[in-house]
Amino acid sequence: QITLKESGPALVKPTQTLTLTCTFSGFSLSTSGVGVGWIRPPPGKALEWLALIYWDDDKRYSPSLKSRLTITKDTSKNQVVLTMTNMDPVDTGTYYCAHSTMIVGGSYFDYWGQGTLVTVSS
Amino acid sequence: QSVLTQPPSVSGAPGQRVTISCTGSSSNIGAGYDVHWYQQLPGTAPKLLIYGDNNRPSGVPDRFSGSKSGTSASLAITGLQAEDEADYYCQSYDSSLSGSFVFGTGTKVTVL
Repeated sequence: QITLKESGPALVKPTQTLTLTCTFSGFSLSTSGVGVGWIRPPPGKALEWLALIYWDDDKRYSPSLKSRLTITKDTSKNQVVLTMTNMDPVDTGTYYCAHSTMIVGGSYFDYWGQGTLVTVSS
Repeated sequence: QSVLTQPPSVSGAPGQRVTISCTGSSSNIGAGYDVHWYQQLPGTAPKLLIYGDNNRPSGVPDRFSGSKSGTSASLAITGLQAEDEADYYCQSYDSSLSGSFVFGTGTKVTVL
């Protein structure tokens, strides 16, 4: 059974750096074709993909947020960490991590965490 | 901003068939990349509904089906049920701007 759970601060101040941890079980991030991604839906807006790290440590970032994001993995701890710098109130919302499966036509997100709500406010 | 466009809302009576379109371009759907669909019920995490254009994960009712043609894809829900009232998102891969995963603008399905 694959499960993922996000953890991190519920409140961050503007300009601070957000660090979120995704702790997962039921799969290994060293298995070919597997990845873990981060997605957020800003309040009242559509889902937005942020970053994804693959089993081979290949990392992909949203072009619009690339300069602010860093994604890393610790395979031994079954964790993926996302950092986002220079937080702004518009970054307020729920952050999800999700297991991704790679197929010929592109990866999809088949298992999702419950999400963690992050509020950016002074 | 999303590069995949969906209608903001669709509605139908119980038992009816509704379709949700997902319009992309030559750098994503039109390039042959797969389209995947997600259902997000209020207050919950998104759930994978369709992967690889038209495949259903185990447990997803066969009332849900996907299709793709050219630069667009569609999700069809037949025999609409009250529990289908949710937000639906398409997702694909875009080869422009160093490559990225993209979600659609989202569609709210209302069961009348």
